[in-house]
Amino acid sequence: GQQLNQSPQSMFIQEGEDVSMNCTSSSIFNTWLWYKQDPGEGPVLLIALYKAGELTSNGRLTAQFGITRKDSFLNISASIPSDVGIYFCAGRKYGGATNKLIFGTGTLLAVQP
Amino acid sequence: DGGITQSPKYLFRKEGQNVTLSCEQNLNHDAMYWYRQDPGQGLRLIYYSQIVNDFQKGDIAEGYSVSREKKESFPLTVTSAQKNPTAFYLCASSRTETGNQPQHFGDGTRLSIL
Repeated sequence: GQQLNQSPQSMFIQEGEDVSMNCTSSSIFNTWLWYKQDPGEGPVLLIALYKAGELTSNGRLTAQFGITRKDSFLNISASIPSDVGIYFCAGRKYGGATNKLIFGTGTLLAVQP
Repeated sequence: DGGITQSPKYLFRKEGQNVTLSCEQNLNHDAMYWYRQDPGQGLRLIYYSQIVNDFQKGDIAEGYSVSREKKESFPLTVTSAQKNPTAFYLCASSRTETGNQPQHFGDGTRLSIL
């Protein structure tokens, strides 16, 4: 099955730094979701995007639905140690008849205190 | 509290044995899903169900089976035909199979081969 191109694969940063990650697809999507997964747990929904150009924030997190509908990015400002985890993007293809999601391969974030 | 409960947290399988992973949700969601997660990879869809007594194969259904006899329950059986079953299995649910409803996940079951 298709998977989204997510980058970077991993990031090692200092506490307080800003972080940016993105997902791209060759297909048009009508939904973009960003999840965070802590070790040994299930992914937790961070932000959901439904319109091209939409910019949504959740605390220090901001995500945008790309104008082309083929990409999305997630920014984390002023990172803290508890931001550590794997961040996944997920999307639903335009015209899809179901709520089936396609997932990115994840970005591993490590934050040095 | 409303949520998705997966059990057990850890499961060990012997060669040639079938094992069943439990997934229960009390969110009154119509749709439920099973994913497999391997290191360094995204989530891959095994099976999904839109409604009771109905389910469809996902991208990697071979060696797995499911049932949906109740709205709140969607158990996954890993059969002996699945030759590489060691993985982290995640169950998810959403309000409706159509539309833009996000999926919410349980905490997973880690399956290992003895």
